[in-house]
Amino acid sequence: GENVEQHPSTLSVQEGDSAVIKCTYSDSASNYFPWYKQELGKRPQLIIDIRSNVGEKKDQRIAVTLNKTAKHFSLHITETQPEDSAVYFCAAYFYSSASKIIFGSGTRLSIRP
Amino acid sequence: ETGVTQTPRHLVMGMTNKKSLKCEQHLGHNAMYWYKQSAKKPLELMFVYNFKEQTENNSVPSRFSPECPNSSHLFLHLHTLQPEDSALYLCASSQDPGLSGNEQFFGPGTRLTVL
Repeated sequence: GENVEQHPSTLSVQEGDSAVIKCTYSDSASNYFPWYKQELGKRPQLIIDIRSNVGEKKDQRIAVTLNKTAKHFSLHITETQPEDSAVYFCAAYFYSSASKIIFGSGTRLSIRP
Repeated sequence: ETGVTQTPRHLVMGMTNKKSLKCEQHLGHNAMYWYKQSAKKPLELMFVYNFKEQTENNSVPSRFSPECPNSSHLFLHLHTLQPEDSALYLCASSQDPGLSGNEQFFGPGTRLTVL
C-alpha cells in the first residue's frame, strides 16, 4: 500500500553542524514532496518542497534532494541553529487512489548549544 | 488570527457526548482537510474536501462525521468517541488538492480529550 517511511525518529546535533533526515516512499507515481516543520506547541508549516522534475532544491540553509529511481528524498540543514529545533515531517502525494497526501512519522531534531 | 482558525482550542468530553469542531479559512482556498495528530501516528489524514465535496475518507470510523457547508468552513462532528480518540485535531486548507500538489496551511488545532 501507499507508505512513507522517515528516519531517524530523533536526531541531536551540535549547533553549527549539519542535519540530514531521510524519507522513502512506495508509489513511483508520486511527484510532489513537501517538508513541514512543527515547533513545540505550534502548527506544522511548509519549509521546502520539491517536484519530481528536479533532483535538488535549495533555500538558504535548507536543501532537499530527490532520487526518483530509488524512491527516496532527504532534507539537509546546514549550519544548524537553536531555532531549528522542531519536529520535521516529510510527505508525498499519491495518485494511485485519488489525490492523497501521506506524511512520514516525523523526526524530532534537537540542536545542542 | 488570520489564515486558518479553529475552535475550540481545547475540548474535554465524555464518551456519550456530542460535540463539534469548527475550522474556518480566510485564504480563499478551495480544499480543506482534517488531520489527527497523536503520539501513535503523528500526522494522519482523515478527510479531504475539494470545492465542498468530500473526495477522500481515509477509513475513518463513523463516530467522526465531517461537514463542509462552503469552501471556507469545515466541521467535524463527534459522537460516542473512545478514549483512544484523544488527540490534536488539525484542520488545513490548500488552494487546490489537485494533481500538482500544493502547500497546506494548518490551523492551530483542537486538543481533544475523551474521558
